[in-house]
Amino acid sequence: EPEVTQTPSHQVTQMGQEVILRCVPISNHLYFYWYRQILGQKVEFLVSFYNNEISEKSEIFDDQFSVERPDGSNFTLKIRSTKLEDSAMYFCASSERDRPGELFFGEGSRLTVL
Amino acid sequence: QKEVEQDPGPLSVPEGAIVSLNCTYSNSAFQYFMWYRQYSRKGPELLMYTYSSGNKEDGRFTAQVDKSSKYISLFIRDSQPSDSATYLCAMGDSSASKIIFGSGTRLSIRP
Repeated sequence: EPEVTQTPSHQVTQMGQEVILRCVPISNHLYFYWYRQILGQKVEFLVSFYNNEISEKSEIFDDQFSVERPDGSNFTLKIRSTKLEDSAMYFCASSERDRPGELFFGEGSRLTVL
Repeated sequence: QKEVEQDPGPLSVPEGAIVSLNCTYSNSAFQYFMWYRQYSRKGPELLMYTYSSGNKEDGRFTAQVDKSSKYISLFIRDSQPSDSATYLCAMGDSSASKIIFGSGTRLSIRP
C-alpha cells in the first residue's frame, strides 16, 4: 500500500540552527501539507501546498518557515533558526485531487531543540 | 469560539460497548468531515471521510454529520481493546487547503 514517508524520524538540534525535514508524498497525490503536534497537544495546521505554491498557511508559519518541492517526489519543510518552542512532531500529509481533505499522514519527524 | 471543539476525555468503556465520539464546529463553510485515529507517537490514520451532511458506515464504524447543528459524531460498535487510541475529528471547506483538527478524545477499551 502506498504511504507517505518522512525523514529523519528524530532530529536533535541546537537553538538557532537550521533544520530541514523531508517528506515523500504518495506518488499520484497533488496536495501536500505540514502539521505540527507539540507533545500532548493537538495537531496544528502549518501550511498546504498545491501546484508548486503555498495554498494556505497558518499564523504559526512565519518567516522562519519555508516549504519547497525541489523535485517530483520530495516535499521539504525548512526551519531557518530553530527556537525551543519548535520542539514537536512534524507530520507531512498528502491527498489526491479527487478526494480533497482525505489526508494520508507520514509517521512524523520528531524535532528536539536544545 | 474555537473553530472545532472536541471533548479530550479520557473516555473508558468496557469491551463490546458502543462508543460515541463527537465534535462541534463554528465555521459553516466546512464541507469535508473526517475522523482519524492516532496511536501514541504515530501519525494520524484516516478512519472515515464524509462530504456534506449524512451518515456513512464502514464495518463497526459509523460517521454522522449534521450541518444544521454543526455537529459530527463517530460511533464504534462492538468496541475492542485494539480500538484504544486518540480519535481526532477534522474538517475543511470546499478548497480543502486547510484541514482543521479537533484536540482529540483519548479512548480506552477495558478487556
